Parts: sequence; structure tokens; C-alpha cells
Amino acid sequence: NAGVTQTPKFQVLKTGQSMTLQCAQDMNHNSMYWYRQDPGMGLRLIYYSASEGTTDKGEVPNGYNVSRLNKREFSLRLESAAPSQTSVYFCASSDMGSMSNEQFFGPGTRLTVL
Amino acid sequence: RKEVEQDPGPFNVPEGATVAFNCTYSNSASQSFFWYRQDCRKEPKLLMSVYSSGNEDGRFTAQLNRASQYISLLIRDSKLSDSATYLCVVNPYNFNKFYFGSGTKLNVKP
Repeated sequence: NAGVTQTPKFQVLKTGQSMTLQCAQDMNHNSMYWYRQDPGMGLRLIYYSASEGTTDKGEVPNGYNVSRLNKREFSLRLESAAPSQTSVYFCASSDMGSMSNEQFFGPGTRLTVL
Repeated sequence: RKEVEQDPGPFNVPEGATVAFNCTYSNSASQSFFWYRQDCRKEPKLLMSVYSSGNEDGRFTAQLNRASQYISLLIRDSKLSDSATYLCVVNPYNFNKFYFGSGTKLNVKP
């Protein structure tokens, strides 16, 4: 039982390059989330998916797109990376609607945009 | 106004001390409450959920005060390994978003 996995762990991009961050969970959770965390700041929600086939914007969606490929996988895409997107990205999942709806996090992707 | 507010600290305490953190939330419809622990450059991990009647897990006690809209975390007999950032998280009822505080940093010194 791996929980939530993310790839890659580290990435360096040049301004304007694109990339996709991958996330998968094996807990059969219905909801999945993408956050970014910047130094000295809390986690900010980028996008979330309440269930397979649905996605919604969070607090800071500009510059990002997401795909809920199936119940297990939720990817985050940067179409044209900017230095302001340098951050640590965390994927999370939860079993919303259950008695235990806490979030479980992946290990994060550390992204630097030059 | 932020949804969730925490004192960023740092709280510097000696081993064996008792330390308490508070966190206030703005949405009175919030129904689920959590404390997470985050070590430097790692992912947040659930420390404990917070129940209406309060709950305890070993040296950790969490309390909820709905009237004043705050939750608290008490750590007794602090260990060096308790040094981390503690995140307060709230989830409004039937709402598929979680709101995170910026975290309170705890340093436990020998």
C-alpha cells in the first residue's frame, strides 16, 4: 500500500517549457487535490477533483491545468512555466463523505523554473 | 480575512515542557478539524483529527471551541523529535475543500 505517489521528485525547467506532474493514489479515494507551498506560506489549493471526471479551480489555478485520468490518477500540467511557479507541489487525496475524511499527501515535487 | 489563522512562532521550548498552539477559523460551518505535522521539506502528515468533545493521543491533546471558533493543540513532555511545523486544517461541511493555516513552528531544545 503505497498511499499517494508523485513523480518526479525534483524538476528544473526553463521559462516557457511545459511539463506534467503525475500523482496516483491506491486508497480508492474519491477526491484528489493539487497544492503548492511557498516558503513561509501555507498550502494553497491549485485544483481539486471531487470524483473521476470532475475538476474544479482552487485558490491559485492560473497557469495550470489538470486531468483526472481515472479514480487513481490526477495530473497537473504547466503549459508555459514561469519563475513564479517555482514551488513545492503536493498532491493529496481524501475519502470525502466518509467518517474519516482527512487528506493524505504525496512526498511532493520540488520545481524550479529558471 | 484568512480562513484559518495561526501564530507562526517559532515557539522555542526546552525538552519536557508543555506547549500549546491555537488556531482560529472564520467559517462557522466548518465541520472537520485536523492538526497536521510537517517536517522540513517533507509532506504534511496527519497528527490527529479534532473532535467536538476534545481528544487525546498520548502526549497530544486537541480541543475544539465552536463558540469562539478556535482549535488548540497541547503537547506535554516535549521531545526533541516534536520539532516541526504544526498545521491547522479545517473543512466546511459537505464542502470539498480544506483550508490550511500557515503553520506554527516548534523548536524543542535540549
